[in-house]
Amino acid sequence: SQKIEQNSEALNIQEGKTATLTCNYTNYSPAYLQWYRQDPGRGPVFLLLIRENEKEKRKERLKVTFDTTLKQSLFHITASQPADSATYLCALDEGNFNKFYFGSGTKLNVKP
Amino acid sequence: DGGITQSPKYLFRKEGQNVTLSCEQNLNHDAMYWYRQDPGQGLRLIYYSQIVNDFQKGDIAEGYSVSREKKESFPLTVTSAQKNPTAFYLCASSPGGRMPADTQYFGPGTRLTVL
Repeated sequence: SQKIEQNSEALNIQEGKTATLTCNYTNYSPAYLQWYRQDPGRGPVFLLLIRENEKEKRKERLKVTFDTTLKQSLFHITASQPADSATYLCALDEGNFNKFYFGSGTKLNVKP
Repeated sequence: DGGITQSPKYLFRKEGQNVTLSCEQNLNHDAMYWYRQDPGQGLRLIYYSQIVNDFQKGDIAEGYSVSREKKESFPLTVTSAQKNPTAFYLCASSPGGRMPADTQYFGPGTRLTVL
């Protein structure tokens, strides 16, 4: 069956450290993988997109890697801040009529 | 002020009643989507529409209906046939069309509670 797995346990880190979140998938062939941020009671907000032929993508303090052999994406936030505390969702797009599949998200808590 | 609006923010429904959730976008996007989010679960796709007057079922369409009569509007009706409708409902849009890689823009969500 198809699955997208993100750590269900919250990730707690100290301010200034690097946060690393994982997204693993099974039985999908994503052409693109995206990461979104969601704050409580609000809609997700797009952060980064990486294509299947890209290994790494960066945007300011954010970095995403995509390994189609391992079927895994890693999402890094460097020099984390308490304002980065939120739930982060990964989403797969198989390039099929703009249809997306979301993981359940990982909650990140950055402590001052 | 561009974006996606959903109304109402909170909605209460008695069992056996149909209810319609509103979603409007002024981003001139072709594609629109409805998701349902339950605690501890990912977003699950209910319906999506790639173009006006056309829509497709997502993974959990049973008990829901939609219409797409205008490009900017994609209302979702939760019918009495939906057995467990209490959830957070999210509407999204994306440029769609022939974009090779699309990103989604989400509304603020509607929290539906069945009493």
